[in-house]
Amino acid sequence: AQKITQTQPGMFVQEKEAVTLDCTYDTSDQSYGLFWYKQPSSGEMIFLIYQGSYDEQNATEGRYSLNFQKARKSANLVISASQLGDSAMYFCAMREGWAAGNKLTFGGGTRVLVKP
Amino acid sequence: DTAVSQTPKYLVTQMGNDKSIKCEQNLGHDTMYWYKQDSKKFLKIMFSYNNKELIINETVPNRFSPKSPDKAHLNLHINSLELGDSAVYFCASSTRTSGGYEQYFGPGTRLTVT
Repeated sequence: AQKITQTQPGMFVQEKEAVTLDCTYDTSDQSYGLFWYKQPSSGEMIFLIYQGSYDEQNATEGRYSLNFQKARKSANLVISASQLGDSAMYFCAMREGWAAGNKLTFGGGTRVLVKP
Repeated sequence: DTAVSQTPKYLVTQMGNDKSIKCEQNLGHDTMYWYKQDSKKFLKIMFSYNNKELIINETVPNRFSPKSPDKAHLNLHINSLELGDSAVYFCASSTRTSGGYEQYFGPGTRLTVT
């Protein structure tokens, strides 16, 4: 079964608007971490934001915020005031306990294209 | 200063050859990883080393052999390359002293097997 599901393969967003990228996850661990990464067309993987399973407040980093709904097992990324440079693939990932070796399990990604 | 570096960035080779990809991190991290990204952009863990000790070895053909000479380096050697090995290989690193253990990735090595 998929552990990380990103249901939006691609989406358009108008410049300066906000966009929400969906991510749902599946784990039986109590302690886990959720991450979002950005992969522009140049190919590098850029860490954006992290949410721990015990964190009560949603994580924010500049224009990025993570809408964490633990009971629903969702960790959506919100990008506010989209910029042309936000056009990229976005990956949601989960880290389970240290016993799992701290590996990241990735979703299939969402391609975002920001229109001027 | 590059945090996680990989060489080479591009690698084109023929089936049956042996090749290596090198990775170095200057972040002082204690854990390093290799991931493979296929043509559909799907990313999957291959190996992980913590303080030079192998801690993750996913179901990867034994033609792939990682080596960690020290905490700052993790190399990937691939024997008898096959067409299906064509992919982008990412090295990453993290530390347990960082709250989220977030992983920082190298620029990737695009391997093309012809």
